[in-house]
Amino acid sequence: DTVLTQSPALAVSPGERVTISCRASESVSTGMHWYQQKPGQQPKLLIYGASNLESGVPARFSGSGSGTDFTLTIDPVEADDTATYFCQQSWNDPNTFGAGTKLELK
Amino acid sequence: EVQLVESGGGLVQPGRSLKLSCAASGFTFSNYYMAWVRQAPKKGLEWVATISTSGSRTYYPDSVKGRFTISRDNAKSSLYLQMNSLKSEDTATYYCARSVNVYYGLLLRGYYFDYWGQGVMVTVSS
Repeated sequence: DTVLTQSPALAVSPGERVTISCRASESVSTGMHWYQQKPGQQPKLLIYGASNLESGVPARFSGSGSGTDFTLTIDPVEADDTATYFCQQSWNDPNTFGAGTKLELK
Repeated sequence: EVQLVESGGGLVQPGRSLKLSCAASGFTFSNYYMAWVRQAPKKGLEWVATISTSGSRTYYPDSVKGRFTISRDNAKSSLYLQMNSLKSEDTATYYCARSVNVYYGLLLRGYYFDYWGQGVMVTVSS
């Protein structure tokens, strides 16, 4: 299975720019997607196809990358962005998710 | 507004069975692949099953293949997950999710999930 590696946690101040990384153990082309999960809630789709912003998601969120290295950027970060962010690859079978990056606001 | 509402979770003994349901509304259910994704307590997400629009094709990871069965009733806009031979490692919150196919040319290369239900807890314990 394709393993997706994410940093466990990040802490940033409101107004700053933050990048959350996801590295795949093999190429996933642009089949990478990002989700936000707030405590006690279901995941929410943010980015699909590596760089496409889901409808209704603020333009502060953006995604980039292809192959094995991907980035989710939030600029500027707001207090409401406190959450865990998961990447998911759909290129290789089975679909797999990263373990998540917990974003905390200072 | 798209809504997905799961039900049927609870406490079950190892080796027993449980069936989850998901009621969908706010979109044309029969036009979409659907999926189940689970999340063990304090853990990450794991894809569990996907079903095609008609129900003729189903997909599973090895971890549940042969034990879980996904099905749907398009007339009722409902999705189901029959879970048999349950193990302690199946303990998780199970989410119903609407699936969007990813194509590379004409080749289906997996899916992502654009709407999720609130989840239902399944605990497998004696």
